[in-house]
Amino acid sequence: GEDVEQSLFLSVREGDSSVINCTYTDSSSTYLYWYKQEPGAGLQLLTYIFSNMDMKQDQRLTVLLNKKDKHLSLRIADTQTGDSAIYFCAASSGNTGKLIFGQGTTLQVKP
Amino acid sequence: GAVVSQHPSWVICKSGTSVKIECRSLDFQATTMFWYRQFPKQSLMLMATSNEGSKATYEQGVEKDKFLINHASLTLSTLTVTSAHPEDSSFYICSAQSPTGGGEQYFGPGTRLTVT
Repeated sequence: GEDVEQSLFLSVREGDSSVINCTYTDSSSTYLYWYKQEPGAGLQLLTYIFSNMDMKQDQRLTVLLNKKDKHLSLRIADTQTGDSAIYFCAASSGNTGKLIFGQGTTLQVKP
Repeated sequence: GAVVSQHPSWVICKSGTSVKIECRSLDFQATTMFWYRQFPKQSLMLMATSNEGSKATYEQGVEKDKFLINHASLTLSTLTVTSAHPEDSSFYICSAQSPTGGGEQYFGPGTRLTVT
């Protein structure tokens, strides 16, 4: 079945850029998503990209998609301490509406 | 962005009792909602897909008689954990699928269930 993989941990200094990477296996995934989860809370949709796009930018967030390699990345510019959280990559699964989530990447931002 | 609420945010119940969790989409109608379970420091595990006006579709290994799902309106889905046991203690999160755009899911804040 579909699988989504992420690295588990990333540590950066405040003000630096953060890049979180994700790979997926289902080439038919139409949409790919990035969610943020803070401790004890639900998931907040940050952004999503349609599979026929290479890049999407939204303020400090840039999503890059390499469909050939099935690789997705999320770049956070000027990372702040408030960006510390777990970031989940998710891929849509066929026409079911289901999302397949990665394991989540814990982003630690040091002052 | 779209808002999804869950109630209660946390609940403690005794073993053998039942607990109902509500999921509401506040500013859009959701034909499809999803229920997830999340263990500490782990990713989300999809339990079931809830479709308005029809029976829920459960993922493999999820007991449908234990986790009752009802999606009676376009803005409300409920999950009832029946005869709860300590191993049912977990963080339960619902999501509602947007009817427009990229089929994105908007998540509720989660419900922490503790069974004693």
